[in-house]
Amino acid sequence: NAGVTQTPKFQVLKTGQSMTLQCAQDMNHEYMSWYRQDPGMGLRLIHYSVGAGITDQGEVPNGYNVSRSTTEDFPLRLLSAAPSQTSVYFCASTRGVNTEAFFGQGTRLTVV
Amino acid sequence: GENVGLHLPTLSVQEGDNSIINCAYSNSASDYFIWYKQESGKGPQFIIDIRSNMDKRQGQRVTVLLNKTVKHLSLQIAATQPGDSAVYFCAENRHTGNQFYFGTGTSLTVIP
Repeated sequence: NAGVTQTPKFQVLKTGQSMTLQCAQDMNHEYMSWYRQDPGMGLRLIHYSVGAGITDQGEVPNGYNVSRSTTEDFPLRLLSAAPSQTSVYFCASTRGVNTEAFFGQGTRLTVV
Repeated sequence: GENVGLHLPTLSVQEGDNSIINCAYSNSASDYFIWYKQESGKGPQFIIDIRSNMDKRQGQRVTVLLNKTVKHLSLQIAATQPGDSAVYFCAENRHTGNQFYFGTGTSLTVIP
């Protein structure tokens, strides 16, 4: 099993550009989520999904969209990138309620 | 909003000593907690978890203590090694969507 795979690892965007951060897991986990991590702060929840076709907002959802058309994939879309979205983004998946979350290696995004 | 917070942002210990990292949480409805370790440039890695019906759980060289009365978690690392140097996060599962909310982290440095 590859676990949770995120692509790309690094990305530089210009303000106003759009892009999609990819996340895929091969563990057949129902729950998936996206976090951002800023310097000196912990991980903050952006959006999450409890299964294919179901998504919901986390703590900091503004500026981001998600969809979950399959169990395996949970892409995160930035429609119009802003410098405030410069961060490291982590995708995670969880098998079930009250079980550990497995994380990808992260995508470092810089918006200039 | 409610946050999971840490008492100490940094901790330095001598190799071989024991380390204690603390965490406060504020949501009394949270019933599952995890400690994660994050090394530079990597995603968080699971260390140990505990459910709210327990007050102590031990792993290999690590122990987690949960005090629900004061909403406090601690991670104890025995015989700390240089490889333990990392940022440690506590995370609480607030049940909504089975998602985790993270504290700001404690940076542990082990002095050889």
